[in-house]
Amino acid sequence: AQSVTQPDIHITVSEGASLELRCNYSYGATPYLFWYVQSPGQGLQLLLKYFSGDTLVQGIKGFEAEFKRSQSSFNLRKPSVHWSDAAEYFCAVARSSGNTPLVFGKGTRLSVIA
Amino acid sequence: GAVVSQHPSRVICKSGTSVKIECRSLDFQATTMFWYRQFPKQSLMLMATSNEGSKATYEQGVEKDKFLINHASLTLSTLTVTSAHPEDSSFYICSAPVRENTIYFGEGSWLTVV
Repeated sequence: AQSVTQPDIHITVSEGASLELRCNYSYGATPYLFWYVQSPGQGLQLLLKYFSGDTLVQGIKGFEAEFKRSQSSFNLRKPSVHWSDAAEYFCAVARSSGNTPLVFGKGTRLSVIA
Repeated sequence: GAVVSQHPSRVICKSGTSVKIECRSLDFQATTMFWYRQFPKQSLMLMATSNEGSKATYEQGVEKDKFLINHASLTLSTLTVTSAHPEDSSFYICSAPVRENTIYFGEGSWLTVV
């Protein structure tokens, strides 16, 4: 069965600093991987996704993620964090294809300090 | 704009009553929709897969008689929480495959049972 691990429950970074949120997945076949962001009291917004091809994926809001098959990882990065990036971030893997239900990690809460 | 619309966004109901949440696909037909639940400060967990014209498929541990899912048309799936109790208070969100490898989420519904 697929599973997603986000090792960090809560991360605090200074505004302007770089960010990396970790995500490890467990899946036997080619994974379909996603990163979503959820602001307090809001729904989910897709940041980026990976299905195949270039392992470095560019997303919205200046985020990028790198798929590393050897490490079963799909870490999310941003070179310079803005205060508005404070939110909950979820990594997810699709069960089989990109049109099937997602299995979510437990999420990482990002706090941004001045 | 949103391609999957969910209503209501927030609802408060009394314990023992039932509440219906709608998930609509806009400008496309969705033979399948997925319903997730997110408890406070938890991850999103798949509850059930809604199938147009047939019975929903529930995940293990989800009470089908309590969480009634109806997918009466190609653009509408509804989740009815019957005899709601405070422990059913949660964030409920639906999603639908729009096209190959693309899933969109609704805005989500915050349910509070008092």
